[in-house]
Amino acid sequence: DTAVSQTPKYLVTQMGNDKSIKCEQNLGHDTMYWYKQDSKKFLKIMFSYNNKELIINETVPNRFSPKSPDKAHLNLHINSLELGDSAVYFCASSLGRANTEAFFGQGTRLTVV
Amino acid sequence: AQSVTQLGSHVSVSEGALVLLRCNYSSSVPPYLFWYVQYPNQGLQLLLKYTTGATLVKGINGFEAEFKKSETSFHLTKPSAHMSDAAEYFCAVRNGRNQGGKLIFGQGTELSVKP
Repeated sequence: DTAVSQTPKYLVTQMGNDKSIKCEQNLGHDTMYWYKQDSKKFLKIMFSYNNKELIINETVPNRFSPKSPDKAHLNLHINSLELGDSAVYFCASSLGRANTEAFFGQGTRLTVV
Repeated sequence: AQSVTQLGSHVSVSEGALVLLRCNYSSSVPPYLFWYVQYPNQGLQLLLKYTTGATLVKGINGFEAEFKKSETSFHLTKPSAHMSDAAEYFCAVRNGRNQGGKLIFGQGTELSVKP
């Protein structure tokens, strides 16, 4: 029973398209995140939601729009995809306390051609 | 602002040898520190964490790390490497005052294990 699941696992699309990545967690956590891992494997926070409220937005282009319909779901919609958006996107969740670890999904490898 | 530096983007050891992956952090408040492992085409899995209390922390798969405040370090070790330990390892820090709960990651260290 997967704790943090994201779909799709792979996404290949053309420049200019709009795409979405979905994430669900069944851990009962109240905080969810989107991280981006670039080609050099560097991980950087994009967004964080706590109880459906956006609390972190790390200078991400406004083509990226997260949506949290409830505490268990956090989706990421990307408009007008660019070549530079190619990366692996990870969803994660945790309890909203600093001393707790984050649990990560398997990642979505996005390739923009 | 917090930051994490992992010394060595690539470490290679022989099977059975000691594994030492270095992590130094910068934080103006007491940090919470984490080590994650990422196998190819997988998500990140927690190896161990330091929050408070004992500074020597034991994790899964025989790994351990020691929090040294005076050296601002949290190095990861394993006495004897296995082939299955080959992966990417990430050190991360989180602000004790939460700052939205984000983890700040180091650049990662790729561990290779030679037979």
